[in-house]
Amino acid sequence: DTEVTQTPKHLVMGMTNKKSLKCEQHMGHRAMYWYKQKAKKPPELMFVYSYEKLSINESVPSRFSPECPNSSLLNLHLHALQPEDSALYLCASSPLDRETIGYTFGSGTRLTVV
Amino acid sequence: GIQVEQSPPDLILQEGANSTLRCNFSDSVNNLQWFHQNPWGQLINLFYIPSGTKQNGRLSATTVATERYSLLYISSSQTTDSGVYFCAVNGDDKIIFGKGTRLHILP
Repeated sequence: DTEVTQTPKHLVMGMTNKKSLKCEQHMGHRAMYWYKQKAKKPPELMFVYSYEKLSINESVPSRFSPECPNSSLLNLHLHALQPEDSALYLCASSPLDRETIGYTFGSGTRLTVV
Repeated sequence: GIQVEQSPPDLILQEGANSTLRCNFSDSVNNLQWFHQNPWGQLINLFYIPSGTKQNGRLSATTVATERYSLLYISSSQTTDSGVYFCAVNGDDKIIFGKGTRLHILP
């Protein structure tokens, strides 16, 4: 299995809703990442997990809450989002020894906040 | 931090044409990847190429690490090659993306 699977593919939520994005990989990668991508921009890093522990938080607002329950699964919990949070959310994974195959990305969740 | 610059920003070609995309980076890196993002948002890993040359079908890439640049070659372009091509390098435990080259292949 050489894939990163993200669900759902599309999500529309109101500003008072609580929702979660899910990311799963079975490649034995011990680093997982959340990226946010706005239209016509490159992906921007949000969070990094190494060995299921949060290692990097790029000053992301607390309305985004990541969780890594195990080495294969990464969640992003969403609460009280704003319309400007509408974007493509990408998950990625990599071996911690990144000097081999690099990063593998999922197909993303396209989020619309109304 | 490391700066990544890609050129050209936009490229429009007729089907069957060849193209060269460039990525310059400001500091030495030990990890460089080329990605293709299709119109549906999927980021597809094309090459992991911190140095040297690799080929995969109609695509090939060369990285000259000592001169801090990488090139992506696309030969005999097809409409399915359309999308955005990103170069990304590893720095400080995270990958840093260039702004991308937006490629349009006309039928």
